[in-house]
Formats: sequence, C-alpha cells, structure tokens
Amino acid sequence: AQSVSQHNHHVILSEAASLELGCNYSYGGTVNLFWYVQYPGQHLQLLLKYFSGDPLVKGIKGFEAEFIKSKFSFNLRKPSVQWSDTAEYFCAVNVWAAGNKLTFGGGTRVLVKP
Amino acid sequence: GAVVSQHPSWVICKSGTSVKIECRSLDFQATTMFWYRQFPKKSLMLMATSNEGSKATYEQGVEKDKFLINHASLTLSTLTVTSAHPEDSSFYICSAPTGGDYGYTFGSGTRLTVV
Repeated sequence: AQSVSQHNHHVILSEAASLELGCNYSYGGTVNLFWYVQYPGQHLQLLLKYFSGDPLVKGIKGFEAEFIKSKFSFNLRKPSVQWSDTAEYFCAVNVWAAGNKLTFGGGTRVLVKP
Repeated sequence: GAVVSQHPSWVICKSGTSVKIECRSLDFQATTMFWYRQFPKKSLMLMATSNEGSKATYEQGVEKDKFLINHASLTLSTLTVTSAHPEDSSFYICSAPTGGDYGYTFGSGTRLTVV
C-alpha cells in the first residue's frame, strides 16, 4: 500500500522567511499529488495539485511545489511567509491504480511569528 | 465549484447512543464519498469509501458494525456512529472526488464528542 511521509511535524519561522515542507511517497506508478492547508478551525483547502505536465506547480497564496519523480517527492515552497500562513499543511497522494482514494501524510504544523 | 455540505458541524452525545453525520453534494453528483477521521494534531485517516448503490468498502481495522455508512443517492452519503463511546470522539470529514480542476472537495467536518 502507498504511504506518504512529511518529514517535519512542526515548523516555526518568522515573517518573510522562506518555507519548504517535504513530502515523499512510496509508490512507483502514476500518481496525482496534492497539498492541502487547514487553517485553525477551518476545513481543508486545496493549495495546489499535480496531475501531469510541468513538474513545477504554482498554487494559491504564493505557494508552489515541485514534483521530482526520481525522488518520489513533492515538496511545497513559499519564498516569503506571512503570519496568515500559520496553519497545518497536508500532502496527499492518489494512486491511479488504487482508484480515487487519497492517502494523506501526517501533516506539518507551521507557526509564523509576526 | 463543487461543494460538499456536511452536517452537523458539531455534536455532543451520550455514551451508548448513535449519531448520524450527513454529507450532501450540492451541485454535482457524488458517486463516491470518502469518510475520514482526524485525531487531534494528527492526519486524516481514511475510514471507508461509500459508493452509491453498493456496500461501502472499509479500511483495515475499521469496525463495519460501529461505523455504518450508507450512500442512498448520488447526492447523499451518511455515516452513523453506533453505540458511541468516548473513544469515538473525533473530527469526521467527508470528501468526494470531483475530477476536473479540483480533484476532491471536502466537507467542513463534524466534531463529535461522546460524554
């Protein structure tokens, strides 16, 4: 079965710092990749996704992610964070061969200090 | 875009009672609905997949008789937590694949507290 690993459980940084969150998955076939954000008290929102094509994906709120197939990775980045980026971030993978279900990583809690 | 409406947002119930959570697709037909459970400060764990007109598929370790899932129509899927216990207290989220640009849409979640 596929698994998704997010290496950082907690990240604390100051405003204007750059952010990179790691995500690796364990399946060698065709995958769809997602990053979701969950702000305190709110439901999951899609930040960006990769289905095919350009491996560098741009999402909302200045986030981007790069799919590196050889490394089974889909790391999320933002050049300059804001206090409002404080949230929990989840990487998720859908394996084509396994149907539509999403497998989530453990999540990374990001705290941006003003 | 595609919206899944989940109700109730929160519920408190007594041990031994049953609670039903509903998820409705408002502007699309959801032939499949995923049900997740999210523990505090933890990730989402897939509990089961419901398919309209057929039996739900449960993930390993999830009690079928405790978490009853029904997908009665193309717009409604329900999760009933039967004979609830305090350890069933959690945040339950539904999600439906929408295809196109969104991939999946999520309900707003239900916080269940069993006392």
